[in-house]
Amino acid sequence: ELKVEQNPLFLSMQEGKNYTIYCNYSTTSDRLYWYRQDPGKSLESLFVLLSNGAVKQEGRLMASLDTKARLSTLHITAAVHDLSATYFCAVVSSGTYKYIFGTGTRLKVLA
Amino acid sequence: AAGVIQSPRHLIKEKRETATLKCYPIPRHDTVYWYQQGPGQDPQFLISFYEKMQSDKGSIPDRFSAQQFSDYHSELNMSSLELGDSALYFCASSLGGRPTDTQYFGPGTRLTVL
Repeated sequence: ELKVEQNPLFLSMQEGKNYTIYCNYSTTSDRLYWYRQDPGKSLESLFVLLSNGAVKQEGRLMASLDTKARLSTLHITAAVHDLSATYFCAVVSSGTYKYIFGTGTRLKVLA
Repeated sequence: AAGVIQSPRHLIKEKRETATLKCYPIPRHDTVYWYQQGPGQDPQFLISFYEKMQSDKGSIPDRFSAQQFSDYHSELNMSSLELGDSALYFCASSLGGRPTDTQYFGPGTRLTVL
């Protein structure tokens, strides 16, 4: 059974600092996704990572994928308050339609 | 651009009542997914449909059923509601019928069971 774990679960950081969120998954997967969710809101797609070594960047966020290590990272550069949200990674269990979400990382950027 | 539409946005029910949630996918999208997200929890996959047929099933209780109609909209029917069913229910849609297609999420229906 595919399991997805994120760490840290909670992250409080100062504006201007850098940090990385980690997403580990237990079995092979076709793709890995990163989502952002604001409190009480829906999920917003951030990145889709397709292959080993894939790296994508949007603004202050950069995501990478290492399929051999079954690890994805979401790196935050020079955090700003607007990045405060919960970030989820999700993987598709190979051969199924099941998106398995990680536990989420609740990020709070302090001014 | 048109997005996924869910209705109602909020729903309050009593225990043992029934509820029906509706999802209207992005036009031309043929695949629909349902998720349940409890307070402070990660989304849990419930069920998916491709071209009106069930394509996969997750942790959906037997009290719940769902279907996709000829116009590709989907309905999630929930019976004998329990307090633990209180959650945000998301629908997502995609085009192509492959499990790796990018999903687009609706705004969610917040169900409260009293």
